[in-house]
Amino acid sequence: DQQVKQNSPSLSVQEGRISILNCDYTNSMFDYFLWYKKYPAEGPTFLISISSIKDKNEDGRFTVFLNKSAKHLSLHIVPSQPGDSAVYFCAASAETSYDKVIFGPGTSLSVIP
Amino acid sequence: EAQVTQNPRYLITVTGKKLTVTCSQNMNHEYMSWYRQDPGLGLRQIYYSMNVEVTDKGDVPEGYKVSRKEKRNFPLILESPSPNQTSLYFCASSLSQGRVETQYFGPGTRLLVL
Repeated sequence: DQQVKQNSPSLSVQEGRISILNCDYTNSMFDYFLWYKKYPAEGPTFLISISSIKDKNEDGRFTVFLNKSAKHLSLHIVPSQPGDSAVYFCAASAETSYDKVIFGPGTSLSVIP
Repeated sequence: EAQVTQNPRYLITVTGKKLTVTCSQNMNHEYMSWYRQDPGLGLRQIYYSMNVEVTDKGDVPEGYKVSRKEKRNFPLILESPSPNQTSLYFCASSLSQGRVETQYFGPGTRLLVL
C-alpha cells in the first residue's frame, strides 16, 4: 500500500499559467515533505521542502502548501515555463526514521509554449 | 564539480549472471542510498548506508547486496539477477546523517535482465 500518492500521472499546462501538482499521504508520522524534479536521463534533483510545523514554503516561482488535517500537500509553480516540463516526485519522511524517504509515483508535467 | 557517478549507465544481462553497479560520490557525504524506479511506483529504497561499514535494508532489499568499505563508494550487487529486477536504478548521497533533506542523485543505471 503506497504511503505517498500522486493520483495524477500527468498534467499539461499552458506557459505562463499556474501548475498545481498534488500529493496525498497516509502515514500520520510523516513530518517532513520534499519535492524532487526529474528530467529524462538524469537523476532527481531536490526542489523544495516543508516541515509539518509550517503550512507554506515559498522559493521563487515554487510554493508548497501543506494541509496536515487532510494529509495533503501541493506544489504550485507560477508562472509555468517550458523548462519546468519534467516528472515531479513528492516524498516524505518521519521523525522516527529520518534516514528513510518514501517517494510517490510521480507526476509528469508538460508546459506547452 | 560535486557529483554522484554511476556505472554502467545501461546494462543488458541474462538471468543468473552476477553483476555490480558502482556508485561513487565526491562530496564526502556520510549517507548513501540505492533506489529503483518502476512505472507507477516511484522510487523505492533498496539499501542505505549511514557511514562506512554501516548498511541497512530499505523497502525492497530482496535479491540485492551492498557494501560500504569506503566513504565515497557504495556498489550495488545483484548475485543472481532475475527479470523482475529490470528497472532504473539510482544511487544517492546526502551530507546529513539524520534528516535526509537533500539527496544528490546519480544519473541512473537502466538494467534489463533477460
